[in-house]
Amino acid sequence: QKEVEQNSGPLSVPEGAIASLNCTYSDRGSQSFFWYRQYSGKSPELIMSIYSNGDKEDGRFTAQLNKASQYVSLLIRDSQPSDSATYLCAVWRDTGRRALTFGSGTRLQVQP
Amino acid sequence: SAVISQKPSRDICQRGTSLTIQCQVDSQVTMMFWYRQQPGQSLTLIATANQGSEATYESGFVIDKFPISRPNLTFSTLTVSNMSPEDSSIYLCSVGYRGQEEKLFFGSGTQLSVL
Repeated sequence: QKEVEQNSGPLSVPEGAIASLNCTYSDRGSQSFFWYRQYSGKSPELIMSIYSNGDKEDGRFTAQLNKASQYVSLLIRDSQPSDSATYLCAVWRDTGRRALTFGSGTRLQVQP
Repeated sequence: SAVISQKPSRDICQRGTSLTIQCQVDSQVTMMFWYRQQPGQSLTLIATANQGSEATYESGFVIDKFPISRPNLTFSTLTVSNMSPEDSSIYLCSVGYRGQEEKLFFGSGTQLSVL
């Protein structure tokens, strides 16, 4: 089982719609979760972090965490063509060798 | 976030040669990591660069192939040794700050092609 799993997509949504990106993780003890956005040919950019169960909103982005289900999601409201990118879910490994483990990423396409 | 400069940004190398990639941060950071991103793939951690001591490598990566230095809190190098075409990838330096080590910021990456 992979440590962090995402659907690779592509996820295609029309402009103005809500894009929903999902991620599951295997380590039940994980406490810190992140979403990165990566445009083609660029390095990953941190867009959201979440540490507690529930929702965290930042502008058009909402991160959702459910530790009991080991599930993290990212909602993008009013999707824009400029949101078209690969979104990487990442989980901080607290025990042993501390580091960030990434999912394979979901490619989002926002259609004008 | 700090400015993270990575050099070179890209290079084309011959099989059997080595390339050293530099990562310079404009402020002191607690954690420095090296990741690899193969074409169309996600990020795989190569190693944690430890200041003043040997790097900590992930399973599948060894010091002889990927020697890493970190002489201080702002600088690290990754060398890709005895390269083969399978080493063609993007190599990324990432850093975490004291108190928020888990929030990683990335350099612009080095795109390596091995012929």
